[in-house]
Amino acid sequence: AQSVAQPEDQVNVAEGNPLTVKCTYSVSGNPYLFWYVQYPNRGLQFLLKYITGDNLVKGSYGFEAEFNKSQTSFHLKKPSALVSDSALYFCAVREILTGGGNKLTFGTGTQLKVEL
Amino acid sequence: ETGVTQSPTHLIKTRGQQVTLRCSSQSGHNTVSWYQQALGQGPQFIFQYYREEENGRGNFPPRFSGLQFPNYSSELNVNALELDDSALYLCASSRGQGATYEQYFGPGTRLTVT
Repeated sequence: AQSVAQPEDQVNVAEGNPLTVKCTYSVSGNPYLFWYVQYPNRGLQFLLKYITGDNLVKGSYGFEAEFNKSQTSFHLKKPSALVSDSALYFCAVREILTGGGNKLTFGTGTQLKVEL
Repeated sequence: ETGVTQSPTHLIKTRGQQVTLRCSSQSGHNTVSWYQQALGQGPQFIFQYYREEENGRGNFPPRFSGLQFPNYSSELNVNALELDDSALYLCASSRGQGATYEQYFGPGTRLTVT
C-alpha cells in the first residue's frame, strides 16, 4: 500500500523567513503526490501536485515542493512565510484501486504556525 | 473556494440512528469521493463514485453506503451510527477518475454522534 509520512506535528517559523514542511513517501511504481492545506473548520484546499517532469513543482499562494526520488521526499516550501499561512498542511499520495478508481492517502498533518 | 458544496454543515445524531449527507460536485466534474476526518487525524478514504457507479472503497463497513446521481451530485448514508462515527465528512470532486486529476474538496459536514 502507498503511504506518506509527515515527521513533524508542528513547525514554527517567523514571518518573512523561509518555511519547509516535510513529507516522505513509500510507493510501488511512480508516485502521484499532492499537498493540501486546511484552515480551521474548513475543507482541504489543493496547493500543488507532482505527477511527472520537473522535480520542482510550483503551486498556489507562492508555495512550491521539491520531489526527490533518491530520498523519497516531497517537501513543501515557501521562500517567505506569512502569518496567513498558519494552517494544517497535509501531504497525500494517490493510489489507483482495482475497481478503476483512485484514492488519496493522507499523512497525519503538520500544523504550521507563522509568528510576527 | 471550490465549487463543491455540502449539506448540512453540522448535525447531531444519536447512536443507532441513520444519517444522510449530501454533496454537489463542481461543474464539469463527474467523479466524487468521500472521506472521513476524525479529530486530529488526516482524512480517510470511504469510497469513490464515477458516473453513478462505485469504483473504489476503503476500509469502512457496509453500513457506510453511497449514491451518485445523473447530475453527479452524491449522498453518503451511514446506518446504525456509532460514537466513533463522529467526524468531519469531506466530499471531493474531480474531472475524471484518472489518478492525475486533482480532487477539490467541499467544506465538510461535522457529524456528532451522542
